[in-house]
Amino acid sequence: EDKVVQSPLSLVVHEGDTVTLNCSYEVTNFRSLLWYKQEKKAPTFLFMLTSSGIEKKSGRLSSILDKKELSSILNITATQTGDSAIYLCAAHSGAGSYQLTFGKGTKLSVIP
Amino acid sequence: GAVVSQHPSRVICKSGTSVKIECRSLDFQATTMFWYRQFPKKSLMLMATSNEGSKATYEQGVEKDKFLINHASLTLSTLTVTSAHPEDSSFYICSASSRTGQGNEQFFGPGTRLTVL
Repeated sequence: EDKVVQSPLSLVVHEGDTVTLNCSYEVTNFRSLLWYKQEKKAPTFLFMLTSSGIEKKSGRLSSILDKKELSSILNITATQTGDSAIYLCAAHSGAGSYQLTFGKGTKLSVIP
Repeated sequence: GAVVSQHPSRVICKSGTSVKIECRSLDFQATTMFWYRQFPKKSLMLMATSNEGSKATYEQGVEKDKFLINHASLTLSTLTVTSAHPEDSSFYICSASSRTGQGNEQFFGPGTRLTVL
């Protein structure tokens, strides 16, 4: 059974702190890993990672995939209150089909 | 805990037919269920929100007569794509929450790939 586990489940930090969110996966025919930020409506797409060891960056956010360890991390530097959200990772898998397995998310709260 | 399943995982249909996709919360009662559509750039678009026993709330631009949503019980919601067209081909994902309102914890299903020929 495909599985994606995120840790921690929740996290409270002060503005300016740096946080690292973890995602590990066990899926058949892994193809890529996706990170989303969910605030109110639909999760907002952040990154798609397919290759191991190549960091993707967008502003203060960055992410990297480790296929050997079957994991990925999402880093947020100099956190702001607007970063407060649930961060989801999802593993895209499937040989002939297409399947997304989501983790349960990490709830990040950034306090002033 | 908090497992959400979708059925079928993949469906191919002819243009003009209707397709029903089921979303089930297996080990909790889902007060609210959400239906999303994933686009090629991997972004997720919220289509509608349904609360058990009441009519679904559709997002702007989503045709409620084309995408029929029924949330008949606390563990089951269905999305029916009526008179499907090739442009409806997409990946449909549901999520479920045990609390009302968006922004609360949601548990996602594995998605359904719809291909309309």
